[in-house]
Amino acid sequence: GDSVTQMEGPVTLSEEAFLTINCTYTATGYPSLFWYVQYPGEGLQLLLKATKADDKGSNKGFEATYRKETTSFHLEKGSVQVSDSAVYFCALSGENTGFQKLVFGTGTRLLVSP
Amino acid sequence: DGGITQSPKYLFRKEGQNVTLSCEQNLNHDAMYWYRQDPGQGLRLIYYSQIVNDFQKGDIAEGYSVSREKKESFPLTVTSAQKNPTAFYLCASSSNSGGVLNEQFFGPGTRLTVL
Repeated sequence: GDSVTQMEGPVTLSEEAFLTINCTYTATGYPSLFWYVQYPGEGLQLLLKATKADDKGSNKGFEATYRKETTSFHLEKGSVQVSDSAVYFCALSGENTGFQKLVFGTGTRLLVSP
Repeated sequence: DGGITQSPKYLFRKEGQNVTLSCEQNLNHDAMYWYRQDPGQGLRLIYYSQIVNDFQKGDIAEGYSVSREKKESFPLTVTSAQKNPTAFYLCASSSNSGGVLNEQFFGPGTRLTVL
């Protein structure tokens, strides 16, 4: 079945550092890919998405490019802020579930210090 | 403002009691979902519903039940058959237009603790 693999956290960075959180997936065909963010004690918010190969999703300085050849959707940000501290989830929706459900990775906690 | 509400935010129950978690949305979405989140783990799908009066089991449905009598509401009952019910429960909805899953909107969650 479909699956998503994320790098284990926590990822600890200083403010203004460059961020990469790796995400790879297993799915047939061309799934839709998502990054969600969860702040402490809250639900998830969609950060960005991409629905076809080579698409780049971007929002709030975060970017991720849909790489079909490497089955990856790595999240990047050029300069992180303390307010970016949260848990980040990579997810996909694919043919195996009729594009009706999301499959989530285990999440990566980001801690940014001043 | 449109959105998803879950109540209560914190819930405590004694072991062996059934408990119902509320989820309401005013986004006019057809599809609704219930997830369970445990510390250090991702989200696991409990039940989902694509349309009123219809729902399907997710990956961990045992010990849970749902109903979908109204488009706006998708309550989740955690029964005494659920062996380890203490967790953070998240409700979500999406429009799923054209048969393709669109963005899922999440509620703020309910933290259930069974004593």
